[in-house]
Amino acid sequence: GAVVSQHPSWVICKSGTSVKIECRSLDFQATTMFWYRQFPKQSLMLMATSNEGSKATYEQGVEKDKFLINHASLTLSTLTVTSAHPEDSSFYICSARDQKRGTDTQYFGPGTRLTVL
Amino acid sequence: AQTVTQSQPEMSVQEAETVTLSCTYDTSENNYYLFWYKQPPSRQMILVIRQEAYKQQNATENRFSVNFQKAAKSFSLKISDSQLGDTAMYFCAFMKHPGTYKYIFGTGTRLKVLA
Repeated sequence: GAVVSQHPSWVICKSGTSVKIECRSLDFQATTMFWYRQFPKQSLMLMATSNEGSKATYEQGVEKDKFLINHASLTLSTLTVTSAHPEDSSFYICSARDQKRGTDTQYFGPGTRLTVL
Repeated sequence: AQTVTQSQPEMSVQEAETVTLSCTYDTSENNYYLFWYKQPPSRQMILVIRQEAYKQQNATENRFSVNFQKAAKSFSLKISDSQLGDTAMYFCAFMKHPGTYKYIFGTGTRLKVLA
């Protein structure tokens, strides 16, 4: 149980284009999902908290107009990187909170590697 | 603001031996959760173990156990009978409770299990 998927697992795009990454909780409902960014050999950096049916909450320094987050259902959150540039190349990871289990534990997706040329 | 410190960037251990990874944190909160996550080369984050601050008993999960010292704000992970599959990055995480459910991660410890 508590499986989170991400799609795509890797994507290469041209500078200036937009890329959408999907995060799905497969066997539980997630009112809250989180989006992280991870650079090589570094820790996870929280970008934003995604709440179902409301606007995402962004961490300080994260451009909300560049990283658009939509949490339209209890099992799906999307991250769109708009007008991507090479500096946006990174590993993006989502997680989902399984509230019903009562543990407040986050379950992580397998990540998406984004390369912007 | 809370902080999480992992002072060992890299460690190695012989297969079947025991290794302890350190984690300290700073908080003024009384209620919180602490976690250890494993990130193998596949980069999939896997929950290893979880500890509620109000519980004095140390959490255990098979070969994994923690030494939770609340007064010292220390939360170390002990891996017994190390296996090659334990080779990974290990992250310690803090979550205030109740709160926003956000995790604060440490910088990680890269563990290599040697055959």
